[in-house]
Amino acid sequence: AQSVTQLDSQVPVFEEAPVELRCNYSSSVSVYLFWYVQYPNQGLQLLLKYLSGSTLVKSINGFEAEFNKSQTSFHLRKPSVHISDTAEYFCAVSNPNSNYQLIWGAGTKLIIKP
Amino acid sequence: DTAVSQTPKYLVTQMGNDKSIKCEQNLGHDTMYWYKQDSKKFLKIMFSYNNKELIINETVPNRFSPKSPDKAHLNLHINSLELGDSAVYFCASSQAPWEQFFGPGTRLTVL
Repeated sequence: AQSVTQLDSQVPVFEEAPVELRCNYSSSVSVYLFWYVQYPNQGLQLLLKYLSGSTLVKSINGFEAEFNKSQTSFHLRKPSVHISDTAEYFCAVSNPNSNYQLIWGAGTKLIIKP
Repeated sequence: DTAVSQTPKYLVTQMGNDKSIKCEQNLGHDTMYWYKQDSKKFLKIMFSYNNKELIINETVPNRFSPKSPDKAHLNLHINSLELGDSAVYFCASSQAPWEQFFGPGTRLTVL
């Protein structure tokens, strides 16, 4: 069975500093990988996804994530965060052999300090 | 021009009552979902419907019953509400299963 681990429940970081949110997964088959973002008092929205091809994927607002098969990781990074990045970030995996059902991590709260 | 809408946004009710949450999507998606998010932000899928047919039914008390009158609507009815049902409930829809579009959520508080 697949599982997703987000080791950090909260990550505080100063504005304009770099950040990394960690995500590890376990699976015996190839999976698709995703990051979703939940801004305060809103629903989740897809931030970026890895389906195949280049292992480095980027979002339009400066986030990027790299699929590392050997380490079964899909960490999310941003070189310089802004106060507007304050949100909960969820990593998820989707198993193509199981109706592509999303398995969710527990979420990481990104706290931007001014 | 809301893609996935839910009503009501807030729901405060007494233990033992029955309540419903409605969800509508105007994206033309085939699949709709109900999620429960607890106070620690943990997200748990409850149900999934594809073209009005139930395809995912996780371990959820049978007090929770989803109803899909058509492809664009998925309502959630909850009987005999308990304190532990307090949470934010999200509706979502998708065409590709991994790209889900979430509604704004319904915050349910059971007193």
